[in-house]
Amino acid sequence: DAGVIQSPRHEVTEMGQEVTLRCKPISGHNSLFWYRQTMMRGLELLIYFNNNVPIDDSGMPEDRFSAKMPNASFSTLKIQPSEPRDSAVYFCASSRSLTGELFFGEGSRLTVL
Amino acid sequence: TQLLEQSPQFLSIQEGENLTVYCNSSSVFSSLQWYRQEPGEGPVLLVTVVTGGEVKKLKRLTFQFGDARKDSSLHITAAQPGDTGLYLCAGAGSSASKIIFGSGTRLSIRP
Repeated sequence: DAGVIQSPRHEVTEMGQEVTLRCKPISGHNSLFWYRQTMMRGLELLIYFNNNVPIDDSGMPEDRFSAKMPNASFSTLKIQPSEPRDSAVYFCASSRSLTGELFFGEGSRLTVL
Repeated sequence: TQLLEQSPQFLSIQEGENLTVYCNSSSVFSSLQWYRQEPGEGPVLLVTVVTGGEVKKLKRLTFQFGDARKDSSLHITAAQPGDTGLYLCAGAGSSASKIIFGSGTRLSIRP
C-alpha cells in the first residue's frame, strides 16, 4: 500500500511568490495533519482535518497560510505571499483517528529566497 | 497549553554505551507515542504507551510511561550506529483532540 504522498519534494522560490504544497493521505484514514519542521522550532502542528473538515487551525502562523481538503484523498497547503522565514520542511501526516498513529509523508523542503 | 520538553536536546555517545532520553510535561496525557526520524524522511512510530507505569520493550529499546502519565523515558541498551536519528515524543491530551510533539532529542552514535 502507498504511504502518504507529498509533492513537491523540494521547492525553491523567491519572496512574494505563491507556494502550493500537496498531500495525498493513506486511503481510509480520517484525519490529516500539516506540520512544519525547523531546527529552531522543531515540529509544529499547523492545521488538522477530520473527515475533510478543518478542526483546528490555531497553529497557522499568519493569514498568508491557508489549507484545504476538498476530498478525502487530497489536501493543499498554500502560502501567499511567501517570505524567507517560511523556509522549512513541511510534512503531511494522516491517521485513522485524531490521536492514533501518525503516518508521515517524506516532506516538502521549501526554500524562499 | 500542553507542552512536552525533551532532554537532552543532543546526545553523542560511543557504540555499545547505554543512554536514556526523557520527555516531561506538567500536563496529563491519555497516551504517549515515540517516533524516530532519519534525515530526509518523516517520523516513524516506534511505540505507543497508554497506561500509567506501562513499560514496553522493542529489542534494545525500553519505553516507560510515568505513573501520573505526565512523563516518559526511552532507554537504549548497547547503542548502535543504526540508532542514530531524531527521537520525538508525542502526547495526546486528556481531551484527546490532537497530538503535540516534544522538542526532540538528536542522537548520534559513534562507531
